[in-house]
Amino acid sequence: EVQLVESGGALVQPGDSLRLSCAASGMTVSGNYMSWVRQAPGKGLEWVSVILSGGRTYYADSVEGRFTISRDSSKNTVYLHMNSLRPEDTAVYYCARQIPDFYDDTGSYIWGQGTLVSVSS
Amino acid sequence: SYVLTQPPSVSVAPGKTASITCGGDDIGSKTVHWYQQKPGQAPVVVIYYDSDRPSGIPERFSGSNSGDTATLTISRVEAGDEADYYCHVWDGGSEHYVFGTGTKVTVL
Repeated sequence: EVQLVESGGALVQPGDSLRLSCAASGMTVSGNYMSWVRQAPGKGLEWVSVILSGGRTYYADSVEGRFTISRDSSKNTVYLHMNSLRPEDTAVYYCARQIPDFYDDTGSYIWGQGTLVSVSS
Repeated sequence: SYVLTQPPSVSVAPGKTASITCGGDDIGSKTVHWYQQKPGQAPVVVIYYDSDRPSGIPERFSGSNSGDTATLTISRVEAGDEADYYCHVWDGGSEHYVFGTGTKVTVL
């Protein structure tokens, strides 16, 4: 069974740093596009970052320069390193197997259950 | 940045057809995916690559994309289709993925 499990969410203060993890099973993170998507309370989905199978990374303007996406193939895990956190970063953060811009209907494009990050003083 | 606009809400009676639009500049030149999100749950893809259905998604769900509008159509709507729906594209110009503003579907 393909599964993504996020962890690392916490209540932090503005300016703090945090690292989220997304452990994959039934698929390899290095062979897929992997995204982080967040959802503020009562709001819509916001794409945050993606790491492509080739290693290239992209970021939303709202997190560029503060967040870094990475992966560890030996642990089959994707990370989101978040620095200089702001109250507006408060959200549930989802890890997802990102649908690529080329046709690929192999496997399931699943999401994890999410992890909550709260930024407040 | 690239913007995708959806109607905030759509109401439909059981058994009828719901159409959810996703407007964006020349969206027809992009590939559109659609996600369904029920309360307290992670999103699930119901349509990808404009009009394909992942395994396990009912044939009642269909998609189209042309010009400045992509459309998700739900035929023979059931109570279990009540959810938020989001369109999603890759914008090569900005090198960003983008989600639509989301549409809440209410089954009357």
